[in-house]
Amino acid sequence: GAGVSQTPSNKVTEKGKYVELRCDPISGHTALYWYRQSLGQGPEFLIYFQGTGAADDSGLPNDRFFAVRPEGSVSTLKIQRTERGDSAVYLCASSVDLGGSEQYFGPGTRLTVT
Amino acid sequence: KQEVTQIPAALSVPEGENLVLNCSFTDSAIYNLQWFRQDPGKGLTSLLLIQSSQREQTSGRLNASLDKSSGRSTLYIAASQPGDSATYLCAVRDSGAGSYQLTFGKGTKLSVIP
Repeated sequence: GAGVSQTPSNKVTEKGKYVELRCDPISGHTALYWYRQSLGQGPEFLIYFQGTGAADDSGLPNDRFFAVRPEGSVSTLKIQRTERGDSAVYLCASSVDLGGSEQYFGPGTRLTVT
Repeated sequence: KQEVTQIPAALSVPEGENLVLNCSFTDSAIYNLQWFRQDPGKGLTSLLLIQSSQREQTSGRLNASLDKSSGRSTLYIAASQPGDSATYLCAVRDSGAGSYQLTFGKGTKLSVIP
């Protein structure tokens, strides 16, 4: 079956602009996670959802970042007033549920803020 | 706060060699540990998942071991091939209540020379 998909694959935006990054999880997976990977670093946790609700958003760096998952499937990560320091690869993952199951990652969206 | 360290940061070996990648974590109270592979500009591919009650997992030429009490895991790759060249990431999920995100190391970049 289809894996986790993310769009766009690349996004270039100017400092101060608003961006939205989309994640389509594996069908039937109720848990969805967002991570951010800066150059030369491992991914860092941002937020995860169980169903429609954000179960833990403690990794979001500040209030310019927000994520939604209105119907419990597709999720959108929203970044307001982008800064150059937001440039990174944003990775999405899903799992069957929040239990002990494996997380499956998408290809990521590379965000560049100029 | 959990911290994950991977040594070495980079490794270059001739084709056919067996090799070991190391991962250590500071808090031994983990739920599971996952090894991933990341190719340049790509997302993460899950290689092996070890539950905290397990000592090792095997998949083909890969064998991952876990010593939870000492905070260590190793990924053993037998008979390395040029196609194994990639960055290998180790990630742990803590066992605390409500802890479902992964904490990653920075990875080991492996180059297998033909």
